[in-house]
Amino acid sequence: AQSVAQPEDQVNVAEGNPLTVKCTYSVSGNPYLFWYVQYPNRGLQFLLKYITGDNLVKGSYGFEAEFNKSQTSFHLKKPSALVSDSALYFCAVRSSGGYNKLIFGAGTRLAVHP
Amino acid sequence: EPEVTQTPSHQVTQMGQEVILRCVPISNHLYFYWYRQILGQKVEFLVSFYNNEISEKSEIFDDQFSVERPDGSNFTLKIRSTKLEDSAMYFCASSGQIQETQYFGPGTRLLVL
Repeated sequence: AQSVAQPEDQVNVAEGNPLTVKCTYSVSGNPYLFWYVQYPNRGLQFLLKYITGDNLVKGSYGFEAEFNKSQTSFHLKKPSALVSDSALYFCAVRSSGGYNKLIFGAGTRLAVHP
Repeated sequence: EPEVTQTPSHQVTQMGQEVILRCVPISNHLYFYWYRQILGQKVEFLVSFYNNEISEKSEIFDDQFSVERPDGSNFTLKIRSTKLEDSAMYFCASSGQIQETQYFGPGTRLLVL
């Protein structure tokens, strides 16, 4: 069965420090991996995706993510956190075989403190 | 930048009533989806729609749910007889091709009393 795990309910980071939001996945076939961000009372905004190619993917707002096939992980990173990065982050996976539904993790709340 | 839009933003209804949630996908997109997020829980896939038919649906998407693309721009989700447990945020999404990124609307918060 396909699944996504985000092991941390909340991540706390001081502004200016690097941040990592963790994601591991389980999927048959080649994974298509995504990160979305949800600000309060807003929809899901696309940040970045991994389909194929370089394991380090760069996305919006200075975020990047590293695909690690051996560890089945796709951690989201940013070198220097901003208070405005505080939001709910969702990792999602789509199997390459057939249909296009996204399977989401439970989400990780990122709190960046001044 | 094109966006997915959804109306209404909030809907309150009585149990047993029918509701229709509306979405306008990005104009040149071909694949349409509905997801829902019960408060405090993860986002769950409901249904995908392509070429005027359902391409995949989840176990949640039972006979009480239906989707329709009544014209060239709108994509609707109908719940025929709402239950308390249907209370959730409902997100519409669209993508240009099947492998492409899904872009989500702002959601409709449905409250069933």
